[in-house]
Amino acid sequence: EAQVTQNPRYLITVTGKKLTVTCSQNMNHEYMSWYRQDPGLGLRQIYYSMNVEVTDKGDVPEGYKVSRKEKRNFPLILESPSPNQTSLYFCASSHLTSGPTDTQYFGPGTRLTVL
Amino acid sequence: GQQVMQIPQYQHVQEGEDFTTYCNSSTTLSNIQWYKQRPGGHPVFLIQLVKSGEVKKQKRLTFQFGEAKKNSSLHITATQTTDVGTYFCAEAPYNDYKLSFGAGTTVTVRA
Repeated sequence: EAQVTQNPRYLITVTGKKLTVTCSQNMNHEYMSWYRQDPGLGLRQIYYSMNVEVTDKGDVPEGYKVSRKEKRNFPLILESPSPNQTSLYFCASSHLTSGPTDTQYFGPGTRLTVL
Repeated sequence: GQQVMQIPQYQHVQEGEDFTTYCNSSTTLSNIQWYKQRPGGHPVFLIQLVKSGEVKKQKRLTFQFGEAKKNSSLHITATQTTDVGTYFCAEAPYNDYKLSFGAGTTVTVRA
């Protein structure tokens, strides 16, 4: 089954404790990205990757890191989480044509709470 | 930042009625994608519009791209309880790899 998986689905942590949210896709997609969803703000792109070892900042990259060492995986790293990073996070992937114009497949989401 | 503005933010609809949600931009859009997110779920791709004036239909849903490519609309006829959720529009610019989403229209249905 074609899918995007994220782990963990729920996480409660404390300020400053490094954490990683994993994302994996089995569709051989070149393009992967991370979004955060906050009430009234919709989905805001954090980082995206066009292929292995190629990443770039989205609209809200501060406080986040990513890596793309393998095509299928795109982990999101919070080196020192703060309460304003409490949010619902989605990973997504798609084939890459001339831009991310192909269908975006979203993971189930990770609800993060930073105390 | 967000390039597309969605209105209304909330839409309360009587079951069986029609409604329309809009996506507007001050600049010309490369394309428009529409997504639906059910409560507690993740966004699911509905459709993409690319051409000026393009109209596409999916059963009771009609999607339209404006002639000037600065706005788009989603019209739902005979609303059902299954239409509950948040509808997002997004632009994927051809000269960029970022994807910009609107804030969404959250739809509730009164039975």
